[in-house]
Amino acid sequence: NAGVTQTPKFQVLKTGQSMTLQCAQDMNHEYMSWYRQDPGMGLRLIHYSVGAGITDQGEVPNGYNVSRSTTEDFPLRLLSAAPSQTSVYFCASKPTPSLEQYFGPGTRLTVT
Amino acid sequence: GIQVEQSPPDLILQEGANSTLRCNFSDSVNNLQWFHQNPWGQLINLFYIPSGTKQNGRLSATTVATERYSLLYISSSQTTDSGVYFCAFGSSNTGKLIFGQGTTLQVKP
Repeated sequence: NAGVTQTPKFQVLKTGQSMTLQCAQDMNHEYMSWYRQDPGMGLRLIHYSVGAGITDQGEVPNGYNVSRSTTEDFPLRLLSAAPSQTSVYFCASKPTPSLEQYFGPGTRLTVT
Repeated sequence: GIQVEQSPPDLILQEGANSTLRCNFSDSVNNLQWFHQNPWGQLINLFYIPSGTKQNGRLSATTVATERYSLLYISSSQTTDSGVYFCAFGSSNTGKLIFGQGTTLQVKP
C-alpha cells in the first residue's frame, strides 16, 4: 500500500489564482480530512468527509472547497488564493471515525 | 470548545536522558493519538491510546481518561528523537482531531 499520497509537494501561487491539492489513499478508508499547519502551531482541520458524497466543514473552512466523489480521492480546492493561505497542508485518512488516523507527507503552499 | 494543552512547550535533553511529555484535554476522551513531526515535516504515528498504557521500544504512553490527561515517556533519548511531539484528541462520532500546540524536543549529542 502506498498509504496516503499528496501532490504536489511544493506550490507557489500568486494572489487570486486557483488550484487543487490532490489527496489519494489506497487503504479503502471511509474517513478523510484536510488540515493546515502554520509555523509554530498544531494542525487545524479545514474539511472532512465520512464517506463518498459526504463532506463537512472543520475549524477553518473559509476559502476552501472539497468534494468526495470516490472513496480513494479527496481533493482540496483553493478558489482564489490569498497570502493568508500560505501554509503546509496535510491530508489524512482512517478506516472509521473512531480509529487511528494516518497522514500524508504534506504540500507546502506559498501565496505571494 | 474542546481544548488540548501540551507541556512543556520546549525541551532540551542530553542524549541518553529520559523525559515525560504531558497532554491535558478539556473533555471526555474517546480518541487520542500521539504524533512525532520530524525535522523534515513528516507526521509519524506513535500511539493511538484513548485509555490505558502502551509501549513501543523506548517510547511508552499512558492515558488516564477519567482525569483527562495523557503522558508520553521517552527513555534513553537519541538525537533522532528530535522534533515536535503532538497529541491530538478527537470525537469517535465525527473523527475530527484537535491538536495541541506541540512540544519541541531537541536532543543534543
